[in-house]
Amino acid sequence: DVKVTQSSRYLVKRTGEKVFLECVQDMDHENMFWYRQDPGLGLRLIYFSYDVKMKEKGDIPEGYSVSREKKERFSLILESASTNQTSMYLCASSPGVTNTGELFFGEGSRLTVL
Amino acid sequence: AQSVSQHNHHVILSEAASLELGCNYSYGGTVNLFWYVQYPGQHLQLLLKYFSGDPLVKGIKGFEAEFIKSKFSFNLRKPSVQWSDTAEYFCAVTASGGSYIPTFGRGTSLIVHP
Repeated sequence: DVKVTQSSRYLVKRTGEKVFLECVQDMDHENMFWYRQDPGLGLRLIYFSYDVKMKEKGDIPEGYSVSREKKERFSLILESASTNQTSMYLCASSPGVTNTGELFFGEGSRLTVL
Repeated sequence: AQSVSQHNHHVILSEAASLELGCNYSYGGTVNLFWYVQYPGQHLQLLLKYFSGDPLVKGIKGFEAEFIKSKFSFNLRKPSVQWSDTAEYFCAVTASGGSYIPTFGRGTSLIVHP
């Protein structure tokens, strides 16, 4: 069964802290994504990656960075957390060659910034 | 770039009622269409998808959706909802032959009263 695992389900951080959200997939997928989910706004794409060490900005990259050193792992970094980054963060993956747009999601990481 | 509009933000139904959730997209080319569901506390999962062929697509748990190309629509239906269908539903579209990065609608929150 396909599996996308996000390391932290719930985090509470203070303004200005550096935050790391980790995501690992076991499906050998080339593509990985980070979305944030907010009520009434749906899913908004922060960053995505087509391959190791490659990254592309999504619709709302400001205040975030990413790292993909290994194919199975995609990390989202908040360099200096702010209260408006309180949200649910979703990691997803999809295959490369046979990609149709279907995504496989992790369970989400709910971040609260105080 | 494509966009997705979900007209119903909140829907409240009683068990056994019929359900139809609207989804319209804007994109002039060929598309792949998806409905995802997020049950309370669970990860987003695929409900059904349309790539080509029969425009009436059947998914899991008795859901179906109809692709009407002339209306740019992909509405989700279920003839008789159950309490367990309480969830958030997201419509998504990707451009065939493009980057296969899905664009999501803002979601519809469905509450089914027993």
